[in-house]
Amino acid sequence: QSVLTQPPSVSGAPGQRVTISCTGSSSNIGAGYDVHWYQQLPGRAPKVLIYDNDNRPSGVPDRFSGSKSGTSASLAITGLQAEDEADYYCQSYDSSLSGSEVFGGGTKLTVL
Amino acid sequence: QITLKESGPTLVTPTQTLTLACTFSGFSLSTSGVGVGWIRQPPGKALEWLALIYWDDDKRYSPSLKSRLTITKDTSKNQVVLEMTNMDPLDTATYYCAHRRKWGDAFDVWGQGTMVTVSA
Repeated sequence: QSVLTQPPSVSGAPGQRVTISCTGSSSNIGAGYDVHWYQQLPGRAPKVLIYDNDNRPSGVPDRFSGSKSGTSASLAITGLQAEDEADYYCQSYDSSLSGSEVFGGGTKLTVL
Repeated sequence: QITLKESGPTLVTPTQTLTLACTFSGFSLSTSGVGVGWIRQPPGKALEWLALIYWDDDKRYSPSLKSRLTITKDTSKNQVVLEMTNMDPLDTATYYCAHRRKWGDAFDVWGQGTMVTVSA
């Protein structure tokens, strides 16, 4: 059971908009710690997609955006493309116990 | 350009100790703030953070695995080593190392990963 909760799967048709939620608690996202998002294409290592809640690294299309509010964060993808089909993970820091980096359980995006 | 590459055994037997090395280039682990972390992913499952070591030798471990993990660095060799004791088939996973610029930042560059199978 992951500390950060994501839906196991989402889907959308090409051109559509989808969002992926990442729900935490008062010891992680709600405590103000930044949320980062990673994209993992099949058979590949994860790649940072959004950092510090809502920032895109250079080279990431502006179709990808991130937001954070309260104890949750979201990743939005507009203008869905077939190449977006991948697993997406959120990550933050949790201050409970001894403190640790935490990942969400991952969300499989299927482009219909 | 920052690169990282994991190396180590592909197969270990139960109860053995796993030793993995992360050899990197393009940055120095003596630069203020910099860290290298280890993350694993069992087949078909989610990412799980294991350990982190920072430029000042500050070490952090996953609370659930802390008793089994040791992370060290060799700045002169540009290498970070992770040891995990008492390996179990449930530890079968791809193990990644990744760079972060400072505490709280994203893991901005990842290695390709190395698959480790635990089996008798």
